[in-house]
Amino acid sequence: DGGITQSPKYLFRKEGQNVTLSCEQNLNHDAMYWYRQDPGQGLRLIYYSQIVNDFQKGDIAEGYSVSREKKESFPLTVTSAQKNPTAFYLCASWDRGYTGELFFGEGSRLTVL
Amino acid sequence: AQSVTQLGSHVSVSEGALVLLRCNYSSSVPPYLFWYVQYPNQGLQLLLKYTSAATLVKGINGFEAEFKKSETSFHLTKPSAHMSDAAEYFCAVSEGRTSYDKVIFGPGTSLSVIP
Repeated sequence: DGGITQSPKYLFRKEGQNVTLSCEQNLNHDAMYWYRQDPGQGLRLIYYSQIVNDFQKGDIAEGYSVSREKKESFPLTVTSAQKNPTAFYLCASWDRGYTGELFFGEGSRLTVL
Repeated sequence: AQSVTQLGSHVSVSEGALVLLRCNYSSSVPPYLFWYVQYPNQGLQLLLKYTSAATLVKGINGFEAEFKKSETSFHLTKPSAHMSDAAEYFCAVSEGRTSYDKVIFGPGTSLSVIP
């Protein structure tokens, strides 16, 4: 079955540590996205990538970094510079065909201790 | 700039009652509009979408939404609520057509269904 796989589902981190969240898709989608979700705030765009080796900042990119070395993979690193990293992180990919919809992974919940 | 507002961060309905979740958007061009559902600690799943075809859109699980350009609205309805409908619902807008554009999400509405 095609889909988006995020790992780990739950992650705990000490303050001052970097952590990388994995996102892999086998949908053959060109564009991939990272969103952050906080209660009552909906989804906010962190970074997005339309093609391999290219990515753009979203609305809240500070304290985050990404790479896009393969079409299937778009990992997100939450750095120690992110002031409030505890959140639910969602990866998505875009179907550029007629449907024009986002497909989401199951999410990763990061808690900073 | 695109934006989405959802009236009511929390809505409660009785089982079997009408579900109405409100969504208003702003967009400088005819938009794509979406409703997504999220169950606890899971990703988002598409319920339905409007892409400039029929203004009344039917989705999964008995939900439907009507695009009203004059009101810039895309409200979600279901005639009879079921316990399994309890979840978070997000309205989203995109101006994307043949190329990528950002998808903007509303703040979400949490739906509770009372037995």
